[in-house]
Amino acid sequence: GAGVSQSPSNKVTEKGKDVELRCDPISGHTALYWYRQRLGQGLEFLIYFQGNSAPDKSGLPSDRFSAERTGESVSTLTIQRTQQEDSAVYLCASSTRTSEVHNEQFFGPGTRLTVL
Amino acid sequence: AQKITQTQPGMFVQEKEAVTLDCTYDTSDQSYGLFWYKQPSSGEMIFLIYQGSYDEQNATEGRYSLNFQKARKSANLVISASQLGDSAMYFCAIFPPSGTYKYIFGTGTRLKVLA
Repeated sequence: GAGVSQSPSNKVTEKGKDVELRCDPISGHTALYWYRQRLGQGLEFLIYFQGNSAPDKSGLPSDRFSAERTGESVSTLTIQRTQQEDSAVYLCASSTRTSEVHNEQFFGPGTRLTVL
Repeated sequence: AQKITQTQPGMFVQEKEAVTLDCTYDTSDQSYGLFWYKQPSSGEMIFLIYQGSYDEQNATEGRYSLNFQKARKSANLVISASQLGDSAMYFCAIFPPSGTYKYIFGTGTRLKVLA
């Protein structure tokens, strides 16, 4: 079946504008994760969904960041009033078997966000 | 709190040689999973191999194997017979079984395979 997809693949925006990033997980995957990866850096956890609920929002950098998931499927990460430090690649991943340790994630191709 | 340490920011290996990428972790959990991912220059994250904390044997997947030393809390990735296509960033990650359901990733090792 299809893998994780993300859109747009690239987004260039002006400082102060709002952006929405979309993630379509693998069908049937109950867990969905958002990460941020700055250039040359590792993955920074943002938020995790189990179904449509987000039990862990601890990674969201500020209240300008929010995310939702509907239908236990698509998720949207919204960044309000973007700032230059928000420039990064935003990766989405989905997984199943969250109650077990053997729970590999499958990643999307990412959205590269550039804030001018 | 869980933590992953990858001490090698960059590594070189000659084509067809084997290379070991280091990963140490810190956790108080007894049950956990360790994962390695590859990130080529194209940016996608590719799952390579998994090791469970209770697995008695080291995991292997084709040319990838894990040198898992639980007492030392290390899970080093061994790539045998390196190929030019192995040039990429490699990330080690730990997944706790309960609580946060949050993966913790290391900072990565950039591997360059030389022809």
